[in-house]
Amino acid sequence: GAGVSQSPRYKVAKRGQDVALRCDPISGHVSLFWYQQALGQGPEFLTYFQNEAQLDKSGLPSDRFFAERPEGSVSTLKIQRTQQEDSAVYLCASSFLGQGASTEAFFGQGTRLTVV
Amino acid sequence: LAKTTQPISMDSYEGQEVNITCSHNNIATNDYITWYQQFPSQGPRFIIQGYKTKVTNEVASLFIPADRKSSTLSLPRVSLSDTAVYYCLVGGGTDKLIFGTGTRLQVFP
Repeated sequence: GAGVSQSPRYKVAKRGQDVALRCDPISGHVSLFWYQQALGQGPEFLTYFQNEAQLDKSGLPSDRFFAERPEGSVSTLKIQRTQQEDSAVYLCASSFLGQGASTEAFFGQGTRLTVV
Repeated sequence: LAKTTQPISMDSYEGQEVNITCSHNNIATNDYITWYQQFPSQGPRFIIQGYKTKVTNEVASLFIPADRKSSTLSLPRVSLSDTAVYYCLVGGGTDKLIFGTGTRLQVFP
């Protein structure tokens, strides 16, 4: 596709429910990132993949959060036993290489998760 | 990863030039400076990136002094559609991008 696609755009989950958020990166992009953005705050890093390898998961807030990218393309962020504090927008970004030098990261529109 | 400091908010009027300055005193030798723009209900969008001196594209200019401890994003002749949050980030190589709270720019008619 033309850009990074995330689905669903909106998700309402009951507390304790498991959710799965999907990210389709730009074709050919090696790097994939997940961010969490609370209302009025900047995006907070969650995890980073290079192809299928998860190289950094230091930002995952708890062991209820799990991300995978089994074939180096589509990625899924799973949140188990959702809590109200998990309510946020979850952003996915992809880039050809890393996000630092001379690379542009492309973000999806995000998935707004509301836990009730 | 270098921490950045930028104003929380700025106001401007249509047609004016807006300059947003970001300080990054601990920038590393291999770090680049990147600015992103974010509209409500959308993901951040890359605006411009530079290493030193001046970079210009069709959207903005980025001024970086010799010591690289700060940078200034310049938006020429802003319009209402430039109302957004602007983030200044530093990093290099495969570093993850660390976002601060950004600068909320409000453009008035």
